[in-house]
Amino acid sequence: EAQVTQNPRYLITVTGKKLTVTCSQNMNHEYMSWYRQDPGLGLRQIYYSMNVEVTDKGDVPEGYKVSRKEKRNFPLILESPSPNQTSLYFCASSLDRGSYNEQFFGPGTRLTVL
Amino acid sequence: GQNIDQPTEMTATEGAIVQINCTYQTSGFNGLFWYQQHAGEAPTFLSYNVLDGLEEKGRFSSFLSRSKGYSYLLLKELQMKDSASYLCAVSDYKLSFGAGTTVTVRA
Repeated sequence: EAQVTQNPRYLITVTGKKLTVTCSQNMNHEYMSWYRQDPGLGLRQIYYSMNVEVTDKGDVPEGYKVSRKEKRNFPLILESPSPNQTSLYFCASSLDRGSYNEQFFGPGTRLTVL
Repeated sequence: GQNIDQPTEMTATEGAIVQINCTYQTSGFNGLFWYQQHAGEAPTFLSYNVLDGLEEKGRFSSFLSRSKGYSYLLLKELQMKDSASYLCAVSDYKLSFGAGTTVTVRA
């Protein structure tokens, strides 16, 4: 089944404790992206990757890191999480960066930073 | 930058029609998407418009006017399962989303 998977689905952590949210897709998509979703603000892009070893900042990259060592995986790293990073996170992928390509979203990771 | 506006909430009755408007002011434009998102779930693709006019897909239709920076999503023959948030997103090689419109369908 074609899908985007994320782990963990739920995470409660404390300020300053490094964490990684994994994202994997099995559709051989070139383009992958991370979003956060907050009430009243909609989905905002954190980072994106156009292909292996190619990543770039989205609209809200502060406090986050990403890497793209393999085509299928695009982990999101929070080196020192803070309470303002409490949010619902979605990973997404699409065939390539073409504007007409729909993005397929993972199930989401609900993160709470205390 | 991107500025995408859509109403926060709408309520309609089962079997009725609802129209969700989206206006946008963006630095570039390469298409407009509509996504559906049920509470606690991931967004799923509904429609894509890049040329002016109406695209119809079963009970859902989407319209685009590029000169007016305007789109709408039309939901016909509403069903209870259509209760969800509907996200308007403008593509400029990067996808920028509106805050979403929560539609509640009442029996």
